[in-house]
Amino acid sequence: RKEVEQDPGPFNVPEGATVAFNCTYSNSASQSFFWYRQDCRKEPKLLMSVYSSGNEDGRFTAQLNRASQYISLLIRDSKLSDSATYLCVVNMGNYGQNFVFGPGTRLSVLP
Amino acid sequence: NAGVTQTPKFRVLKTGQSMTLLCAQDMNHEYMYWYRQDPGMGLRLIHYSVGEGTTAKGEVPDGYNVSRLKKQNFLLGLESAAPSQTSVYFCASSYSGKGETQYFGPGTRLLVL
Repeated sequence: RKEVEQDPGPFNVPEGATVAFNCTYSNSASQSFFWYRQDCRKEPKLLMSVYSSGNEDGRFTAQLNRASQYISLLIRDSKLSDSATYLCVVNMGNYGQNFVFGPGTRLSVLP
Repeated sequence: NAGVTQTPKFRVLKTGQSMTLLCAQDMNHEYMYWYRQDPGMGLRLIHYSVGEGTTAKGEVPDGYNVSRLKKQNFLLGLESAAPSQTSVYFCASSYSGKGETQYFGPGTRLLVL
């Protein structure tokens, strides 16, 4: 079993749609969680950290369920500029070398 | 601030050739990392460094060597390139390494024929 798994995608949605991505992780002792965004042929960039209580940043909402070991990302009112690959990242230890990246879910927002 | 920079951006090698990828950061970060990204897979850690003069192996270190002679630079070497090393290589850095944000460079695309 892979350590971090994500919805296989791709997701093709119209502008204005709401879309949700799921991610599961294998290590129950994982310490911190993130969503990164990666545009085509570019480097990953931090979208948001994921906190136990859930957190929101504008149109983006992240949730963490430690008991079920999954993380979700909800995007409301999708924009064309949201088209990218979304990477779920789990820190399975205390330090940066323990970051485990999921394979990513690609999103295409269509006009 | 330039952030994290990588050179070269793209390189084609023949099997058996050697090369060095350079990563530089101007954020005074202690931790630096080298990852590779292959289609359908997440980024995988090759080597990392927790400070100047230190290096350690990651998940997929075979066939690579690294050096961190200066705090701002992290070099990745391929001694004898193989087609299996065709990939996109990303360097990243973080301030203390304690699970906070990693900042990535733009990547180096390497093709080994």
